[in-house]
Amino acid sequence: DTAVSQTPKYLVTQMGNDKSIKCEQNLGHDTMYWYKQDSKKFLKIMFSYNNKELIINETVPNRFSPKSPDKAHLNLHINSLELGDSAVYFCASSPGTSGGGETQYFGPGTRLLVL
Amino acid sequence: QQPVQSPQAVILREGEDAVINCSSSKALYSVHWYRQKHGEAPVFLMILLKGGEQKGHDKISASFNEKKQQSSLYLTASQLSYSGTYFCGTDAYSGAGSYQLTFGKGTKLSVIP
Repeated sequence: DTAVSQTPKYLVTQMGNDKSIKCEQNLGHDTMYWYKQDSKKFLKIMFSYNNKELIINETVPNRFSPKSPDKAHLNLHINSLELGDSAVYFCASSPGTSGGGETQYFGPGTRLLVL
Repeated sequence: QQPVQSPQAVILREGEDAVINCSSSKALYSVHWYRQKHGEAPVFLMILLKGGEQKGHDKISASFNEKKQQSSLYLTASQLSYSGTYFCGTDAYSGAGSYQLTFGKGTKLSVIP
């Protein structure tokens, strides 16, 4: 009955590979997010989807492509992985339409290590 | 634009008080506070909406001064369980009817016996 779940929890891969991270929320929320937390613990938003539509797309390399098959799922696909992609990736969700002032609920994170 | 948090780190003995500050150069709709323990996800503490409100639960409270675009988190009579990194997140209008939450770099709080 986890509210926001992510798979896998750990991902170790070689440079140049393509990988996906999945996120699911069972809270009935309309908005989902992907954040990247680097080794200095800086938490930076990458993407935001509201009801399957992209609403925030920060300056992220186009090797990163989010996909939202339905409003409960937001997956992140990364092509041609680079060393600098190593980080913890958090998925989050919030109830409404990103109208401000909304609590975000975070998933447990996916620890990606690119060798 | 990223909000600025201070201090970057603080060490407290159990029972001591601490204040963590967060300031932004942008007009804010709301301020969020989260705590993250090592190896875990950020966990929501509280949210303050514009209007200059103050909130609290247990011994953790916060204030939001909309005019100064600043928020402060107050931890009183700290407990060992308060240890972690505290992030403020500032909600600002990003266009097309949506708001974007931008996090500060965090304040690492360590409570020792």
